[in-house]
Amino acid sequence: DAGVIQSPRHEVTEMGQEVTLRCKPISGHNSLFWYRQTMMRGLELLIYFNNNVPIDDSGMPEDRFSAKMPNASFSTLKIQPSEPRDSAVYFCASSPQVGEKLFFGSGTQLSVL
Amino acid sequence: RKEVEQDPGPFNVPEGATVAFNCTYSNSASQSFFWYRQDCRKEPKLLMSVYSSGNEDGRFTAQLNRASQYISLLIRDSKLSDSATYLCVVTNSGYSTLTFGKGTMLLVSP
Repeated sequence: DAGVIQSPRHEVTEMGQEVTLRCKPISGHNSLFWYRQTMMRGLELLIYFNNNVPIDDSGMPEDRFSAKMPNASFSTLKIQPSEPRDSAVYFCASSPQVGEKLFFGSGTQLSVL
Repeated sequence: RKEVEQDPGPFNVPEGATVAFNCTYSNSASQSFFWYRQDCRKEPKLLMSVYSSGNEDGRFTAQLNRASQYISLLIRDSKLSDSATYLCVVTNSGYSTLTFGKGTMLLVSP
C-alpha cells in the first residue's frame, strides 16, 4: 500500500520566492496534518484538516503560510514570500481519525537562501 | 512547563545493554500516548502505543503513570539498529491532535 506521498523531497529557493509543498494522504484517512521540524523547536504542528476542512491553524507562523485541501487525496502548504527562517523539514501526516496514530510522509527539506 | 518533555540525550550504550527513557507531559486530560522512532534524515514512524496497563512488544516495554504524568520506554538487549531518536507523543486533550516531544537520541555501539 502506498503511504503518505510528499513532493518535492528537497527545495532550495531564494528569499522572497513562493514555495508550494504537496501531499497525498493515505487513501481512506480522514485527517491530514502539516508539521515542521527544526533542531531548535522539534516537531511543530502547523495545521490540520479533518474531512478536508481546516480545523486548527493556530500553529501557522504567520500570514505568509497558507494551506489547502481541495479534496480527500491532495493538500498543499504554501509559503509566500519565503524567508531564511522558514528553512526546515516539512512533514505531512495522515491518520484514520484525529487522535489516532499518524503516518508520516518522507518530508520536504526546504532551504531558503 | 512544556507540554511534553524528554531528556535529549544522547544515551550511549553498548550492544546488549538495557536502556530506559522517560517522558513527562503537562496535560492531565491527555488520553492517548505513543512512542515514535525517527532515524536520521527520515520521517518519524510509530514504534508502539502506550496503554494504561503497560505493554510489551518484543524487546520494547512501554509504561504509563497517569498519577505522575510520565511515560517510559524500556529497551532490552540493545541492537546497533536501535540507534535513533525516540519521540514521546501525547494527545493534547481528549482525543485531539498529537504533541511531540523533542526526542531522546540513542546511540548503540559495538
